[in-house]
Amino acid sequence: DQQVKQNSPSLSVQEGRISILNCDYTNSMFDYFLWYKKYPAEGPTFLISISSIKDKNEDGRFTVFLNKSAKHLSLHIVPSQPGDSAVYFCAGLSGTASKLTFGTGTRLQVTL
Amino acid sequence: DAGITQSPRHKVTETGTPVTLRCHQTENHRYMYWYRQDPGHGLRLIHYSYGVKDTDKGEVSDGYSVSRSKTEDFLLTLESATSSQTSVYFCAISAPYEGQNYGYTFGSGTRLTVV
Repeated sequence: DQQVKQNSPSLSVQEGRISILNCDYTNSMFDYFLWYKKYPAEGPTFLISISSIKDKNEDGRFTVFLNKSAKHLSLHIVPSQPGDSAVYFCAGLSGTASKLTFGTGTRLQVTL
Repeated sequence: DAGITQSPRHKVTETGTPVTLRCHQTENHRYMYWYRQDPGHGLRLIHYSYGVKDTDKGEVSDGYSVSRSKTEDFLLTLESATSSQTSVYFCAISAPYEGQNYGYTFGSGTRLTVV
C-alpha cells in the first residue's frame, strides 16, 4: 500500500524555466509534508516542508503547494538551475515517533 | 556537518552470513531510523528507535534486527543476508518539531551487496 506516490519517475526542464514535481498521498493523518533532494552517493537533504493546515509555503526559488481535498502536493522550482538536477522525494510525517513515509522519487534533469 | 556517520560505506557479503551496519551520531538526538532505498520503491523504513533500548519495526522489518545501547549508536543487523537485501541503507536522526524541517538528517548511506 503506497501511501505516498510520485507518478513521474523523471522530468526534464530547461534552465531558467519552472520545474513542477507532483506528489499524491492517501493517508489523511500526515501532519506535515516534506521534500527532500538527493544527489548520487549522498544521503537525502531537506528542502522544504508544509504543515497539513497550510496550502502554500515558499522559500526562495522553492514553493510547495498543498491541496488537501485532492490529497495532492507539488513542488515548484523557479527558475530551475543545473545544480537542481537530482532525485526529489516527497514524504509525509506522522506519529509520535515522527516517522517519514516517502514516495518513490522523481529524477529532475535541468538542461542548459 | 550534521554529525551522523555510517559505516561501512560499502560492503559485499555472501548469502547466509550475518551483517551489521553502524550508525553513529554526535547530535544527541532521541530518534534514529534505518531506511533502505531501492529503485521503484523510494525509501522504506526498516526500524526506528525512540530512545536507548527502545526500538520498533517499520514497514520492511523482516530479516532485520536493531539495537541501541547508547544514544549515539544505532546498529542494524541482517541476521542471515539474502540477495533481496542488496540495497543502499540510510540512517537518519531526528529532533522532532525543532524548526520547520522537523529535524531529519540522513547519513551518507551504506551500499550493501549480497552475492
